[in-house]
Parts: sequence; C-alpha cells; structure tokens
Amino acid sequence: DIQMTQSPSTLSASIGDRVSITCRASQSISGWLAWYQQKPGKAPKLLIYEASKLQSEVPSRFSGSGSRTEFTLTISSLQPDDFATYYCQHYNGYTWTFGQGTKVEIK
Amino acid sequence: QVQLVQSGAEVKKPGASVKVSCKASGYTFGSYGITWVRQAPGQGLEWMGWISAYNGRTNYAQKFQGRVTMTTETSTSTAYMELRSLRSDDTAVYYCARGNGQFDYWGQGNLVTVSA
Repeated sequence: DIQMTQSPSTLSASIGDRVSITCRASQSISGWLAWYQQKPGKAPKLLIYEASKLQSEVPSRFSGSGSRTEFTLTISSLQPDDFATYYCQHYNGYTWTFGQGTKVEIK
Repeated sequence: QVQLVQSGAEVKKPGASVKVSCKASGYTFGSYGITWVRQAPGQGLEWMGWISAYNGRTNYAQKFQGRVTMTTETSTSTAYMELRSLRSDDTAVYYCARGNGQFDYWGQGNLVTVSA
C-alpha cells in the first residue's frame, strides 16, 4: 500500500506569512493528489485536486504543486480563516489514502 | 444545491452493528460515487471504502474487509454504511462524501459512540 507522509505535523505562523505543507508518497503516484482543509467539528473541505487544480470558490492564495512522490500545498498570505488542519489525499484505482494531517496554528 | 445529509448520532454496545445513512440531493445521484471516511476523537481522517451509486460496485479498505457493507438506494438517493462487530476503537465521527477521485461535497458527519 502507498503511504502518504505530511510534514510538518504542526506549523506555527503569523497572519500574512507564506506557508507550505509537504506531502510525500512512498512511491510515485503521478498527479492523483488532493488537499483538504478541516476546522474543528466540521467536515473536510476540498481545496486542490489533481495536485494543482483549484477547487471552485477556493481563494487563489491556495495553490498546489508537485508530482511523482512530492507534493506541496502553499498558502501565499495566511489569513485568519486559514488556521485549520490540512490533509493530503492520494487516490488511484478506487482506493484512497490520507496523510496524517498538518495543523496550522497562530504564532 | 448539492447536499449530503447524514442520520443522527448513535450509541452502541461492543459487538453490535451500526448502519449510517447519507441522503443526497441537488445532483444526479448515479453520476458520482460515495465514499465513507471516519475520524476518531483527536485523530486524522481514515478512508473506509467507496461505492458507485451507478452500479453498486464497492471497494473497501483492507482494514474493514468483512466487517463493513456499503449500499445505495437509488429510489431515495441514499447511501448506507453498516459496520458490524463494533469495538470501542470504532468510536468516531463517520462522514460520507461525493466523488470518484476527489471528494467535493461532504455530509455533516455522524458521531458513533461504542461503549458498554
């Protein structure tokens, strides 16, 4: 099975900071990767799919990049609404795997 | 608008079964699959399985094989997830979500508590 490893597990940042979260796959997964944001007590929200495509109505400060085994979610200028936990998710052949999550906290 | 509305919270005893529902609206039900994801308290997201709402094809995570059954009822645009032989570590919020690759709409979640 393909394992997805996110880093860091926790990230402390200030409003306006540029932040990046990395997701590494245990083997090449092409571009079949999505990113989600989750706030406490809420369902996850799709941000990015196919590694770099921005989901409808998601602010353009979010972007995704990467291929094969290394992928990155970048928030260009952190806003108060962005403090949350972020998950990457690989999908292939009707099997899905989540990363363990990265919590973005206020510094 | 697209909505996935799940049934309410459940409390079950160890060894029992739970069946959670997910009623879809606002789109053609058969055009998308439904996945089930769970989240134990304070933990991350765990994929459980997926079902095609078009033909009922399923794919379950190996961890849940033999203990989970996912079904759909096209007439009511509802998906169901049944988990059997419940243990205390099955205590979690269970989510349904729509999609065949990425999951763009999610239900509100069902808390299932397993306790003697």
